[in-house]
Amino acid sequence: GAGVSQSPSNKVTEKGKDVELRCDPISGHTALYWYRQSLGQGLEFLIYFQGNSAPDKSGLPSDRFSAERTGGSVSTLTIQRTQQEDSAVYLCASSLGQVVGYGYTFGSGTRLTVV
Amino acid sequence: AQSVTQLDSHVSVSEGTPVLLRCNYSSSYSPSLFWYVQHPNKGLQLLLKYTSAATLVKGINGFEAEFKKSETSFHLTKPSAHMSDAAEYFCVVIRMNTGFQKLVFGTGTRLLVSP
Repeated sequence: GAGVSQSPSNKVTEKGKDVELRCDPISGHTALYWYRQSLGQGLEFLIYFQGNSAPDKSGLPSDRFSAERTGGSVSTLTIQRTQQEDSAVYLCASSLGQVVGYGYTFGSGTRLTVV
Repeated sequence: AQSVTQLDSHVSVSEGTPVLLRCNYSSSYSPSLFWYVQHPNKGLQLLLKYTSAATLVKGINGFEAEFKKSETSFHLTKPSAHMSDAAEYFCVVIRMNTGFQKLVFGTGTRLLVSP
């Protein structure tokens, strides 16, 4: 596609429920990143994919968080047993690869509210 | 590890006056630096990037930034603010981590533009 697409754009869920957030990167972009933007915390790195593999999951806040990427394209971020502190905007970015000059393109994000 | 510090959480200017958003970096080697802008309920958009070429970098919408190694700074400027410049601005550095790179964001500066 022309840009990075994320769905849903907004999600309200009850505490304890599981949620799935989707990211569709720019076609051909091999690198994919998930970030979380919350009040008072700024933008935090969550996980990075190169192709289908995730060399670095160090940013995932707890074992309730997981992510996968299939076919080197779409990625899903899953949060199990959601807590109120999970409320944030989850941003996805993609890049042609690990060369700085390629740049990173961000999606518009998914705003998650846990009530 | 590479990091950035944005010195002002909020900056207020009048339309038509100059804009200065300050960013200092910390890096043990020549860093790659970016400025991103985020308009309300929109995704992050790349304004400009420095990757050790020219120290004065020109970006979109009339913004520019100057890399000053002696001051470890990468301040964002614009000669004349426009109402549409009101947004949140993030200074970003690349951090190399176990063979891959990730974006490390500053805490952001909210630019307010009054008529």
